[in-house]
Amino acid sequence: GENVEQHPSTLSVQEGDSAVIKCTYSDSASNYFPWYKQELGKRPQLIIDIRSNVGEKKDQRIAVTLNKTAKHFSLHITETQPEDSAVYFCAASTPWSNFNKFYFGSGTKLNVKP
Amino acid sequence: EAQVTQNPRYLITVTGKKLTVTCSQNMNHEYMSWYRQDPGLGLRQIYYSMNVEVTDKGDVPEGYKVSRKEKRNFPLILESPSPNQTSLYFCASALGLAGGNEQFFGPGTRLTVL
Repeated sequence: GENVEQHPSTLSVQEGDSAVIKCTYSDSASNYFPWYKQELGKRPQLIIDIRSNVGEKKDQRIAVTLNKTAKHFSLHITETQPEDSAVYFCAASTPWSNFNKFYFGSGTKLNVKP
Repeated sequence: EAQVTQNPRYLITVTGKKLTVTCSQNMNHEYMSWYRQDPGLGLRQIYYSMNVEVTDKGDVPEGYKVSRKEKRNFPLILESPSPNQTSLYFCASALGLAGGNEQFFGPGTRLTVL
């Protein structure tokens, strides 16, 4: 099956700096790559996603890049704010018969220091 | 309000005592899924369902059962819980058939098996 690796496991940045979280995947058939933010004690919520036919997607301060050849994708957060502090998960979705399975990375705890 | 609900939110039980965690969504979503979240392991998919009466195994299905008799409900059944099933469980739903659609997560169920 698919294997998604996420780095770093923790990331501490100063408010206003940029943060980058990287993920690699193993199955070249994976075609959908969402990123989720999970605040302490809350449920994961989608913040941005990208499909395999797109190389980059941006939404205000958040961007995701995908390199299908190298099988890696990254989350970029610019001008970080304290409210960006949370755990971020990447995921890869792989078609399986008529369905899609989802494989998540192990998470990155982002701490934005004021 | 569009939402995914889970019950109970917290459960402490003993080894071998059958339990069911309910999940319901009011968004007419076809896709529903169960995940478990453990520290350092991210979210792992247990089972998923593409529509009524159509279910399939995720990455970690051992010790769990599911059913999808109605489109809105997707209960998770632990026939004989064991301590290694102590975890935080999330139900999720999504609109589409072949993935590539946002998954909406329920609030989570924290299960402790003694």
